[in-house]
Amino acid sequence: DGGITQSPKYLFRKEGQNVTLSCEQNLNHDAMYWYRQDPGQGLRLIYYSQIVNDFQKGDIAEGYSVSREKKESFPLTVTSAQKNPTAFYLCASKGTNEKLFFGSGTQLSVL
Amino acid sequence: ILNVEQSPQSLHVQEGDSTNFTCSFPSSNFYALHWYRWETAKSPEALFVMTLNGDEKKKGRISATLNTKEGYSYLYIKGSQPEDSATYLCAFQYNFNKFYFGSGTKLNVKP
Repeated sequence: DGGITQSPKYLFRKEGQNVTLSCEQNLNHDAMYWYRQDPGQGLRLIYYSQIVNDFQKGDIAEGYSVSREKKESFPLTVTSAQKNPTAFYLCASKGTNEKLFFGSGTQLSVL
Repeated sequence: ILNVEQSPQSLHVQEGDSTNFTCSFPSSNFYALHWYRWETAKSPEALFVMTLNGDEKKKGRISATLNTKEGYSYLYIKGSQPEDSATYLCAFQYNFNKFYFGSGTKLNVKP
């Protein structure tokens, strides 16, 4: 089945620790995105990538980093500089008809 | 960050009721307007992508309209069923890669 796979489903971060959220797609899409959801708010863009080896900051990039070494993979690292990392994180890719395809998300919590 | 408003925040209806939700977005720099359906514990799924003022889209009992000049879109569900229970997200696409999401309308359909 084609789609977006995010892992893990739940992740716990200790203070001062960097953690990496995985996002893999087999849809052959060029553009990929990371969004953050906080309670009562809309999804907010962290980073996006239009092609391999290229990525751009979104509206709330501070404290996060990404890489795009392969078309299929767009991992997100939540660094220790992100002071409020507890949130639900969604990865998405964009098809040729502009539709976004989403993973099932990762809930990150701070220990 | 652009403001996208959805109303109501939540809605409880009886099976068979028809219902509608509103998405308000900026009326300038319009690229596309998206509607997504997000069931609990699943990934958001695209319902419609609309690009032209006056667009109307339909998928079964669900339809949507678009007014880009005044900056709003309506989503209608005719004869709601319990399986329609979900959060409905709208997203204003500002350019090729920037999407601004509303916080969603949570629909609960009671049998």
